[in-house]
Amino acid sequence: DGGITQSPKYLFRKEGQNVTLSCEQNLNHDAMYWYRQDPGQGLRLIYYSQIVNDFQKGDIAEGYSVSREKKESFPLTVTSAQKNPTAFYLCASSAGGSRGSYNEQFFGPGTRLTVL
Amino acid sequence: RKEVEQDPGPFNVPEGATVAFNCTYSNSASQSFFWYRQDCRKEPKLLMSVYSSGNEDGRFTAQLNRASQYISLLIRDSKLSDSATYLCVVNPTGYSTLTFGKGTMLLVSP
Repeated sequence: DGGITQSPKYLFRKEGQNVTLSCEQNLNHDAMYWYRQDPGQGLRLIYYSQIVNDFQKGDIAEGYSVSREKKESFPLTVTSAQKNPTAFYLCASSAGGSRGSYNEQFFGPGTRLTVL
Repeated sequence: RKEVEQDPGPFNVPEGATVAFNCTYSNSASQSFFWYRQDCRKEPKLLMSVYSSGNEDGRFTAQLNRASQYISLLIRDSKLSDSATYLCVVNPTGYSTLTFGKGTMLLVSP
């Protein structure tokens, strides 16, 4: 089955620790994204990548880092610099990054991060 | 003006009712438009794309009014399983990033 997987589903972290969230897709999509969703709020873009070895900051990149070494993988690290990391983290992918391309995004099941 | 605005709801309707969601967007150059559905504590899932001519998929109809910068979603004959939050989504630049509204919650009761 083609799709996007995220792991783990639930993650607990102590304050001051870095933690890495996994996102893998086998849809052969060029573009991948990380969002954060807080209760009662919309999705906010953290980072995105339109091609391997390249990524851009989204609206709320502070305290986060990413890498895109493979087309299939786009891990997100939540660093200790992120002040309020408890949230629902969603990874998504889309077929193309070029202007005018078909750009519906498809989401993984998400990771719920709780800082203790 | 917020980039994508939706009525937060919730909309409480009985089964079989027709319900309409509205959404406005601020960037007149926006390229493409979508409705997503998000169940409680789940990921958003694409419901339908919104085309300039309007489009229909079963009980769901989406309309776009570029002049008014307005998108709508109509659900006919509501089912209990339609209970979810509906997200209005806009592509403001033509590139791959999307802007999401906060969503409108729908609760369909027996």
